[in-house]
Amino acid sequence: RKEVEQDPGPFNVPEGATVAFNCTYSNSASQSFFWYRQDCRKEPKLLMSVYSSGNEDGRFTAQLNRASQYISLLIRDSKLSDSATYLCVVRSGGYQKVTFGTGTKLQVIP
Amino acid sequence: GAVVSQHPSRVICKSGTSVKIECRSLDFQATTMFWYRQFPKKSLMLMATSNEGSKATYEQGVEKDKFLINHASLTLSTLTVTSAHPEDSSFYICSARLGYDEQFFGPGTRLTVL
Repeated sequence: RKEVEQDPGPFNVPEGATVAFNCTYSNSASQSFFWYRQDCRKEPKLLMSVYSSGNEDGRFTAQLNRASQYISLLIRDSKLSDSATYLCVVRSGGYQKVTFGTGTKLQVIP
Repeated sequence: GAVVSQHPSRVICKSGTSVKIECRSLDFQATTMFWYRQFPKKSLMLMATSNEGSKATYEQGVEKDKFLINHASLTLSTLTVTSAHPEDSSFYICSARLGYDEQFFGPGTRLTVL
């Protein structure tokens, strides 16, 4: 089983739609979780950290389910500019090393 | 936010040559930097952790003699791909750690080995 798994997509959604991605992780001792956004041929950029209590930033909501070992990202009212690959990132096994998922591609359609 | 630069952004070289990629944290000091590579439609794979003033820690399967890492100062880490071959062609990205959890990524270097 991969350390971090994501559905690669693509998720094709119309503007204004709500879309959700899940990411599962295998190490129950994982400590920190993040969602990054990566545009084509660009570097990843931090979208948001995922806290145990969940967190929300505008149209984006991230949640953590430790019992089932997954994190989720919900995007409401999708914009064309949300089109990108969303990377799930998990930190475990020491405070330095992080593991990236393969990413979920989102395409928002006019 | 914190800025990390990489140079060059793109390099094409002949098989057998060595290529050096620089990663700089421009507005903060980074005791730890990371080097990743990314193949098309694949995830970022951590190659090594670069610590200022000490030897890099390489991930399993990454040849340390082929991918030389030097972290000579708190703002600069370099990755040298020695005797590059076509299979080394990839997108190389560095990141610098700020604080406990946050990493800031460089724009990446696209290496093509002919």
